Amino acid sequence: EDQVTQSPEALRLQEGESSSLNCSYTVSGLRGLFWYRQDPGKGPEFLFTLYSAGEEKEKERLKATLTKKESFLHITAPKPEDSATYLCAVQDSGYSTLTFGKGTMLLVSP
Amino acid sequence: EPEVTQTPSHQVTQMGQEVILRCVPISNHLYFYWYRQILGQKVEFLVSFYNNEISEKSEIFDDQFSVERPDGSNFTLKIRSTKLEDSAMYFCASSEGDNEQFFGPGTRLTVL
Repeated sequence: EDQVTQSPEALRLQEGESSSLNCSYTVSGLRGLFWYRQDPGKGPEFLFTLYSAGEEKEKERLKATLTKKESFLHITAPKPEDSATYLCAVQDSGYSTLTFGKGTMLLVSP
Repeated sequence: EPEVTQTPSHQVTQMGQEVILRCVPISNHLYFYWYRQILGQKVEFLVSFYNNEISEKSEIFDDQFSVERPDGSNFTLKIRSTKLEDSAMYFCASSEGDNEQFFGPGTRLTVL
C-alpha cells in the first residue's frame, strides 16, 4: 500500500526566512511525485511533478527535489502570500490515482 | 487559462437523500477523477474514469456511488442514499494523460 508522510504538520516562518518541507513516501514503483498548494476551502492547485531521483523543479520562490525515498519543497525568502497547505502526492506505476499526504500548513508572517 | 469547474459549491441534504455533484473538466482532457476530503483529513481518491468507463476505484466507492459522463462536457458523481459520514469536500479533477491532475474548487456536501 502506498504511503505518504509529510513533515512538519505545521510551520510558522517570518517573511524572508527560508525553510524546507519534507515528504517521505513508500510505493512499489514511483510513476510520479506531485506537489500541490491548497488554500482554505479551495481545491489543490498543481505546482510540480517529479519523476526520477535527482530531478529538481523550480517556480518563483519554490524548488522541489526528489530522492528515492523522499521529496523536499524548499521555500526561499517566503512572503505572506505563500501561506497555504502544501500537499505531496504519489502516483504508483500502473495506476493513475494519487495518494496524498496530510499536508504541511505553512504560515508566513510579515 | 482553462480550469475545472464544479457545481454546486455547497450542497446540504438530508440523510438518505440522493445527491448529484457536477463537474466540467478541462475540455481536451481525457481522464477524470473524483476525490473527497473530510474536514481536517487528507485528500482521498474515489474513482477514475477514462474512455467512458471506470478505470480504478477505491474501497470508499461502494454501490452507493456512481459516476457518469452524460454528454461531452459534464462528469457527475451520484450518491444514492447519503449518510452522515459522506459529509466532505468533493473534488473533481481531470488530466490530459494519466499524469498531472488539475482540481476543481470543490463541492462542500453537508448531510444532516
